Amino acid sequence: ETGVTQTPRHLVMGMTNKKSLKCEQHLGHNAMYWYKQSAKKPLELMFVYNFKEQTENNSVPSRFSPECPNSSHLFLHLHTLQPEDSALYLCASSPNSAGAYEQYFGPGTRLTVT
Amino acid sequence: KNEVEQSPQNLTAQEGEFITINCSYSVGISALHWLQQHPGGGIVSLFMLSSGKKKHGRLIATINIQEKHSSLHITASHPRDSAVYICAVGSTDKLIFGTGTRLQVFP
Repeated sequence: ETGVTQTPRHLVMGMTNKKSLKCEQHLGHNAMYWYKQSAKKPLELMFVYNFKEQTENNSVPSRFSPECPNSSHLFLHLHTLQPEDSALYLCASSPNSAGAYEQYFGPGTRLTVT
Repeated sequence: KNEVEQSPQNLTAQEGEFITINCSYSVGISALHWLQQHPGGGIVSLFMLSSGKKKHGRLIATINIQEKHSSLHITASHPRDSAVYICAVGSTDKLIFGTGTRLQVFP
């Protein structure tokens, strides 16, 4: 248990559906992250929020829409996804968004787009 | 060429063997991280280091800043060490990840 929770753990959705992934951290951290992990590829950073402000959008398609209402919660809204978006989506948090801070990861949401 | 390279990509070992995983990077860093990912997806941070050496139980991590190289060693390996080990470098405001090393330790 790392102090970072993600729901749901598994999600199957059609290409026309709209769904949301939720992440919550109980560590008092100020930075939160969304990562995508596809088979045989390195973890890909999608978004970074620091003190609720988005500081990084790593050229992510607009069908992925993040929301950070406060420092403890992070959402990823999904709509009109493609089958190639099927992957493990990981949330993480750290005290600050600088690369010298340890990141704490949630268990991930396994997403399948049909 | 990836900014963070790990070797080997896959590694099998017999229980009790000494294991080394290597990581080389080509960017300036503020810190280097070693992470462990078990089947099922969860990732746990093992070490964060910016110089020298750190030890935690049977795990040892070293870094050579001049050579831009780090190693993760596992002494007296055990089947429960089977996982993917990921090297990541902290660069300004984000981490850059290697592709990981899949380790399987057989009894």
